[in-house]
Amino acid sequence: ETGVTQSPTHLIKTRGQQVTLRCSSQSGHNTVSWYQQALGQGPQFIFQYYREEENGRGNFPPRFSGLQFPNYSSELNVNALELDDSALYLCASSLSGQAMDTQYFGPGTRLTVL
Amino acid sequence: LAKTTQPISMDSYEGQEVNITCSHNNIATNDYITWYQQFPSQGPRFIIQGYKTKVTNEVASLFIPADRKSSTLSLPRVSLSDTAVYYCLVGPTGGYQKVTFGTGTKLQVIP
Repeated sequence: ETGVTQSPTHLIKTRGQQVTLRCSSQSGHNTVSWYQQALGQGPQFIFQYYREEENGRGNFPPRFSGLQFPNYSSELNVNALELDDSALYLCASSLSGQAMDTQYFGPGTRLTVL
Repeated sequence: LAKTTQPISMDSYEGQEVNITCSHNNIATNDYITWYQQFPSQGPRFIIQGYKTKVTNEVASLFIPADRKSSTLSLPRVSLSDTAVYYCLVGPTGGYQKVTFGTGTKLQVIP
């Protein structure tokens, strides 16, 4: 069974650029959630995708957007990057997207915005 | 979602039992309590989940008193590899998964 994978591992961008992060969910999971984790903080919920539809969103502006594909892999897109977007971006997959379902996290993508 | 309060940090010697308490005074009737562990530069990992009384698995125990306004994660005989941040989450079983992580408890195991 393959776990959750994310790419790339690290990324450096400059302010104003756009970035796409990718996530492959664990086999059999139809739900992917994305989180932003700033240094020293807990993960903050960005949004969740369930069967290719956005199923809920946290307090993030519209320049944070996403997609889920038929194979349940997912992308997180961030436009007009700001310095404060520098963080570890985590994706997590789960069986059904129900609240408090066990989430299986990937290793994250470290984004640095200069 | 119920707000949770945990100690910011704790130190423990190897081989000791560690208890981390989480307060969640406004927990709702259909809320469950879940704990995750996170090592530096890795994603969080599920440890244990419970609703009431006591839950035990191969890694930890979770104690929940009758009023459910707090919970205690118990790690038996910690080792250096248990050094990590531990998060307590409280949320309903229904609805979508807008999980809220606090700042967690940073556990440092000392040799």
